[in-house]
Amino acid sequence: DSGVTQTPKHLITATGQRVTLRCSPRSGDLSVYWYQQSLDQGLQFLIQYYNGEERAKGNILERFSAQQFPDLHSELNLSSLELGDSALYFCASSTGIQAKNIQYFGAGTRLSVL
Amino acid sequence: DAKTTQPNSMESNEEEPVHLPCNHSTISGTDYIHWYRQLPSQGPEYVIHGLTSNVNNRMASLAIAEDRKSSTLILHRATLRDAAVYYCIIIGGYQKVTFGIGTKLQVIP
Repeated sequence: DSGVTQTPKHLITATGQRVTLRCSPRSGDLSVYWYQQSLDQGLQFLIQYYNGEERAKGNILERFSAQQFPDLHSELNLSSLELGDSALYFCASSTGIQAKNIQYFGAGTRLSVL
Repeated sequence: DAKTTQPNSMESNEEEPVHLPCNHSTISGTDYIHWYRQLPSQGPEYVIHGLTSNVNNRMASLAIAEDRKSSTLILHRATLRDAAVYYCIIIGGYQKVTFGIGTKLQVIP
């Protein structure tokens, strides 16, 4: 158990809808990262937050947004969903923003857009 | 961001050592080399990381070339539980990272 909690584990929705994925980092970790993993693909970095502020942005679509709250949990909002958004979404946390910090991953949320 | 190149797949016999290579020729001086692995139906898990010197931990060893343009993850005795996709990633400032496709390791009993 990594200590990172992601909810829900599975999500099935329809095209055009909006969903929210939730992540609770390990106790004491200030950084949260979001990744997308499509079928048989590597992980694509979406966005990073540190202590409530956005720190780095990857290949995140404009239809996607995220935030980190004062209690350090984070939410990833996906809107106007398309079939191609079906994927595993992982959250990871680390203590800080240094390059040597280890990232601890949650078990992921599997999103199916029908 | 520094790019990495890894073989798509490798095979190893159980209880034999495995050397997983990674090329990262565009690495910068302060970038760290991290290895993660992803077991089937699980999130990635940390394996090992280093900057310049070789590193050992309970899971594996990391051998870093003197010019830092390549590294090798060494599993000393592969077990069936080591069958996974292994990702070599380079992390610099702000930890903006990209995981590539990784190397799928198959362990043969």
